[in-house]
Amino acid sequence: GAVVSQHPSRVICKSGTSVKIECRSLDFQATTMFWYRQFPKQSLMLMATSNEGSKATYEQGVEKDKFLINHASLTLSTLTVTSAHPEDSSFYICSASPGQGSITDTQYFGPGTRLTVL
Amino acid sequence: EDQVTQSPEALRLQEGESSSLNCSYTVSGLRGLFWYRQDPGKGPEFLFTLYSAGEEKEKERLKATLTKKESFLHITAPKPEDSATYLCAVQSGAAGNKLTFGGGTRVLVKP
Repeated sequence: GAVVSQHPSRVICKSGTSVKIECRSLDFQATTMFWYRQFPKQSLMLMATSNEGSKATYEQGVEKDKFLINHASLTLSTLTVTSAHPEDSSFYICSASPGQGSITDTQYFGPGTRLTVL
Repeated sequence: EDQVTQSPEALRLQEGESSSLNCSYTVSGLRGLFWYRQDPGKGPEFLFTLYSAGEEKEKERLKATLTKKESFLHITAPKPEDSATYLCAVQSGAAGNKLTFGGGTRVLVKP
């Protein structure tokens, strides 16, 4: 149980184009989803938190117009990197939290998406 | 601000050589401490959640323990397939349901 998928797993695009990454919770409903970025040999950096049907909350320093997040349903969140540039190349990982009402909600992570911007 | 520090940064073990990883934390009201395993090029895989000091959890060769200031992940008689980066994260009352991660410990188990 608690499986999270991401699509695509890898994407290569040209500078200036936009890229959409999907995150789906396959066997549970996720009240909250999170988007992280990870650079080589570094830990995860939280970019934003999204709740179904409401606007995402972005971490300080993350451009909301650059990284568009849509949490359209309890099983799907999307991250769109707009006008991508080489510095946006990174490993993007989403997580989903079941929100079962306990005081602590475990986050289950997707397999990640490797974005390379040429 | 919540802070998490993991040590050592890297650990090389011989197969069967038991060891421990450390996760020190400073939080405002701990709601939970999480351990994840991450293989290269993949997302983190959930291992354990610990909620209060004195709590212990086990899974195969892994055992996690928690005190008021730190958590340990003990690896007993490791096998090469235990090679991975182990991440520690905390969830605090001040930060809501967000996780604050440590830098991770890269473990390499040689046969």
